[in-house]
Amino acid sequence: EAGVAQSPRYKIIEKRQSVAFWCNPISGHATLYWYQQILGQGPKLLIQFQNNGVVDDSQLPKDRFSAERLKGVDSTLKIQPAKLEDSAVYLCASSLLGWDEQFFGPGTRLTVL
Amino acid sequence: KQEVTQIPAALSVPEGENLVLNCSFTDSAIYNLQWFRQDPGKGLTSLLLIQSSQREQTSGRLNASLDKSSGRSTLYIAASQPGDSATYLCAGPAITQGGSEKLVFGKGTKLTVNP
Repeated sequence: EAGVAQSPRYKIIEKRQSVAFWCNPISGHATLYWYQQILGQGPKLLIQFQNNGVVDDSQLPKDRFSAERLKGVDSTLKIQPAKLEDSAVYLCASSLLGWDEQFFGPGTRLTVL
Repeated sequence: KQEVTQIPAALSVPEGENLVLNCSFTDSAIYNLQWFRQDPGKGLTSLLLIQSSQREQTSGRLNASLDKSSGRSTLYIAASQPGDSATYLCAGPAITQGGSEKLVFGKGTKLTVNP
C-alpha cells in the first residue's frame, strides 16, 4: 500500500513570495490533514478535510493561508504572502475514517528568507 | 481545551537499557491516544494507537499504556538500541469545531541511545 505523498520536499523562498504544497493521501482515506511543525515543537493542525469538505480550520491563518481538496482526493496548501515565521515543516496526513490511525507523509520543509 | 505534555524533553541512555517516556493530557474524555516516532528531517511514523476501551498496546519491544483517570500515557521501550534514537511524540484527541476528532501533539521527547 502506497503511503502519503507530498511535494516538494524542500522549498526556499523570500518573504512576501507565494508557495504551494501538494499532498496525495492513501487511497480510500476520507480524511486529510495539514499540520505545521515549527522546529522543536509538535505538529499543529492547520486544516482538516472530510472528503472535500472542511471539518476544522480554526488554526489556519486565513489572511495568508488557503487549502483545497478538490474531488476529495489530492490537496494543496498555499501561502500568500509568506512571512519569516512561516518557516516550518508542513506535514500532510490521512486517515480512513477521521477518528482512527493517522498516517503521515514525509513533509515539506519551507524556509522563508 | 486539550493540552499534551511530554516529559522528559530529552533523554540519553546506554544501549540495552529499558526506558519509559511519559505523556500527560488535560482532557480525559479521549477516544484514542497515539504514539509516533520522528527521525530527523522525516515525517511521523505511527507506533501504537490505544483506543479508549483499551489500557495498553504492544508492538515488539514497545508497550504503551493509557490511564484515562489520571490523564497519563507511558511508552515503554525494552532493551533499547541505537536505532531507537529519534523524537517520540504523543498525541491526544480533541473535538474539532465540526464535531469530529483531531490530534493535539506534545512537543516530544528526543531519545538518544548510545552504543
